[in-house]
Amino acid sequence: DTGVSQNPRHKITKRGQNVTFRCDPISEHNRLYWYRQTLGQGPEFLTYFQNEAQLEKSRLLSDRFSAERPKGSFSTLEIQRTEQGDSAMYLCASSILQETQYFGPGTRLLVL
Amino acid sequence: GIQVEQSPPDLILQEGANSTLRCNFSDSVNNLQWFHQNPWGQLINLFYIPSGTKQNGRLSATTVATERYSLLYISSSQTTDSGVYFCAGDTHGSGNTGKLIFGQGTTLQVKP
Repeated sequence: DTGVSQNPRHKITKRGQNVTFRCDPISEHNRLYWYRQTLGQGPEFLTYFQNEAQLEKSRLLSDRFSAERPKGSFSTLEIQRTEQGDSAMYLCASSILQETQYFGPGTRLLVL
Repeated sequence: GIQVEQSPPDLILQEGANSTLRCNFSDSVNNLQWFHQNPWGQLINLFYIPSGTKQNGRLSATTVATERYSLLYISSSQTTDSGVYFCAGDTHGSGNTGKLIFGQGTTLQVKP
């Protein structure tokens, strides 16, 4: 049982730079979700995929954010022109349809 | 969207004590889950419990879907139970997207 993995675990970047995070879901899971969590808050939904199709995007996801899931396997989340307000933990989860979601360890982003 | 209210927001227990955490939803939800977030930020599944009662060791959970609440019971608490407990569900009628809406969490500290 390899679980959900995320890379990198930590990222420090300067304002205005682009960053990309990767999520590898549990292999047989067809759904993949991205959430963002800021200090003291619960995670907030960003977007999700069923296989390779991106089915919903939150209004939280500005046009600086883009996510892909080529071939329905791993997913990437890119943030362009990072801002200090993007500093957060970015969490990925996978599931079989809408059933139990299993979360990865997260990528902690700090924008200076 | 639905509102998820968790209580209490903070809880301090002596090792060995029992506790009950509550989650109220403003509307009907699907796919209710309870998670424990450890100090490193990892969200660990405790229960997938859209209705009924489940038990796993010292933990048990009950969801009364018709009354829009769920309870998490921790018995004989241990210091390793410390962390933040979240409940989450997706909006009934959302088409079973699995898009989880999280509460603000209950921060539990168990003292030796």
